Amino acid sequence: KQEVTQIPAALSVPEGENLVLNCSFTDSAIYNLQWFRQDPGKGLTSLLLIQSSQREQTSGRLNASLDKSSGRSTLYIAASQPGDSATYLCAVADYNNDMRFGAGTRLTVKP
Amino acid sequence: DTGVSQDPRHKITKRGQNVTFRCDPISEHNRLYWYRQTLGQGPEFLTYFQNEAQLEKSRLLSDRFSAERPKGSFSTLEIQRTEQGDSAMYLCASSLDGFVTQYFGPGTRLLVL
Repeated sequence: KQEVTQIPAALSVPEGENLVLNCSFTDSAIYNLQWFRQDPGKGLTSLLLIQSSQREQTSGRLNASLDKSSGRSTLYIAASQPGDSATYLCAVADYNNDMRFGAGTRLTVKP
Repeated sequence: DTGVSQDPRHKITKRGQNVTFRCDPISEHNRLYWYRQTLGQGPEFLTYFQNEAQLEKSRLLSDRFSAERPKGSFSTLEIQRTEQGDSAMYLCASSLDGFVTQYFGPGTRLLVL
């Protein structure tokens, strides 16, 4: 059974800092990996999707990497802003399209 | 295209009552998913539909839960004889086929007293 772990559970940084969120998964037979953002009491917004054959994806200040063999992904956020404050969730999908989520990292960016 | 919508956004009910939630997916999306999210956890898969066919159900979906998508458009999730452990956020998502980005609705937050 796929287990997805996100470290740290919570992170607080001053505005302007670059930061890295970590995601690890136990089964490397994945089809893709996604990073989502969730604001309090709201649904999920997809940020980046990495196919299993890819190593990274970039969107604006966000960069996600994937190392399938070691079961790890990182989400890099450059020049953080208070508006980046949210919970960031990592999810992996297997070849049956079964998607498993981590518990998330709650990010606070202080002005 | 207004995205995935869910109704109601909040529901408070007493233990033992039945509740029904509705999800309207993005119009051209043929796949629809239901997830449950408890506080401090990521979403857990409950079930999904390909058009009107329910193709997979999680073991989390006990006999008290039933989901339908009668015409391959909107879907309903019903919980019978609610229990306090059913208190959670119920999220709906839709996608065009599988293995692509799922678009999530705002969720329905259920509180069972």
